Amino acid sequence: GENVEQHPSTLSVQEGDSAVIKCTYSDSASNYFPWYKQELGKRPQLIIDIRSNVGEKKDQRIAVTLNKTAKHFSLHITETQPEDSAVYFCAASTGGSARQLTFGSGTQLTVLP
Amino acid sequence: ETGVTQTPRHLVMGMTNKKSLKCEQHLGHNAMYWYKQSAKKPLELMFVYNFKEQTENNSVPSRFSPECPNSSHLFLHLHTLQPEDSALYLCASSQEAQPRVDTQYFGPGTRLTVL
Repeated sequence: GENVEQHPSTLSVQEGDSAVIKCTYSDSASNYFPWYKQELGKRPQLIIDIRSNVGEKKDQRIAVTLNKTAKHFSLHITETQPEDSAVYFCAASTGGSARQLTFGSGTQLTVLP
Repeated sequence: ETGVTQTPRHLVMGMTNKKSLKCEQHLGHNAMYWYKQSAKKPLELMFVYNFKEQTENNSVPSRFSPECPNSSHLFLHLHTLQPEDSALYLCASSQEAQPRVDTQYFGPGTRLTVL
């Protein structure tokens, strides 16, 4: 089955700096890669996703890049703000009749004011 | 925030108890999922239902028994659990029928403690 590895497990940045979180996946058939943000005590929420036919996607301060050859994808957050502090999870899926997401272990991002 | 609801939000049970977790989605989706979230571990997919039919059981012990009476409701029946089953149990839903939307929307979770 699919295996997703996520690094780093913790990341501290100064407010205004950029943050990068990286994930690798094992199944070359994976074609959908979402990123979820989970604030303390709250539910995971999708922040951005990318499909295998696209190499990069941006949404304001957030971007995701995908390298299918190397089987890795990354989340980039620019101009970080304290409210960006949360746990971020990457996931990969091959699709099928219902999406079966395999999640990474999460990255605790702390933005220092 | 109210698209997917879960009850109860917190549950403490002994190893011999029987309890049930409930999930309800108000988004008109047709697929529903149960995940287990333990400390310092990835979210683990437990069960998948698509149009009320179970399509996946990821080697989950039989002490966890899912039930999906319709596309809006999902239950997780618990019996003779172990302390290591203590975790946050998350429900999610997605739209798998056309037009398909891959996004999974999560509920707030049930914090389960097994004594």
